[in-house]
Amino acid sequence: EAQVTQNPRYLITVTGKKLTVTCSQNMNHEYMSWYRQDPGLGLRQIYYSMNVEVTDKGDVPEGYKVSRKEKRNFPLILESPSPNQTSLYFCASSLHQTDLAFFGQGTRLTVV
Amino acid sequence: QQQVKQSPQSLIVQKGGISIINCAYENTAFDYFPWYQQFPGKGPALLIAIRPDVSEKKEGRFTISFNKSAKQFSLHIMDSQPGDSATYFCAASLYNNAGNMLTFGGGTRLMVKP
Repeated sequence: EAQVTQNPRYLITVTGKKLTVTCSQNMNHEYMSWYRQDPGLGLRQIYYSMNVEVTDKGDVPEGYKVSRKEKRNFPLILESPSPNQTSLYFCASSLHQTDLAFFGQGTRLTVV
Repeated sequence: QQQVKQSPQSLIVQKGGISIINCAYENTAFDYFPWYQQFPGKGPALLIAIRPDVSEKKEGRFTISFNKSAKQFSLHIMDSQPGDSATYFCAASLYNNAGNMLTFGGGTRLMVKP
């Protein structure tokens, strides 16, 4: 089954404790990206990537890092999480620019 | 600075009616305009999309109208059904060497009453 898998689905953590949210896709897609979704603000892109070792900042990259060492994986790293990073996070992948189709199930992160 | 503005924030339509959601953008470099549908507890799903050189695109009951000179585009849902009740997001894409930079509107919560 074609899918984008995020882990964990839910996470509560404390300020300053480094964490990684993993994202993996099994469709051999080149394009992957991360978004955060906040009430009233819609979805905002954090980082995106078109292939291994090719990444760029989206609208809200501050406080986040990504890596794309393998085509299938695109982890989101929060080196020192803060409460303003409490949000619902989505990873997405697509084969072409015009697909923009496959989203993961989401990761609800709470930073206290 | 919000580059894509979406309205209305919420919309109630009777079953069988037409739902219309509008978006406006500022950056003329955007080169692709998708719409997403999101149900509670799920990730967004691509619904329909258009390039700026096309004025209208129709897929089933869903139509995008695009006005390049006004920098506006809209989603029309014909014969709206209760199953269409969801949150809809417009977006604008800018393609560069690293991939797609995607900017979303704030979302419209649609409720279709039976």
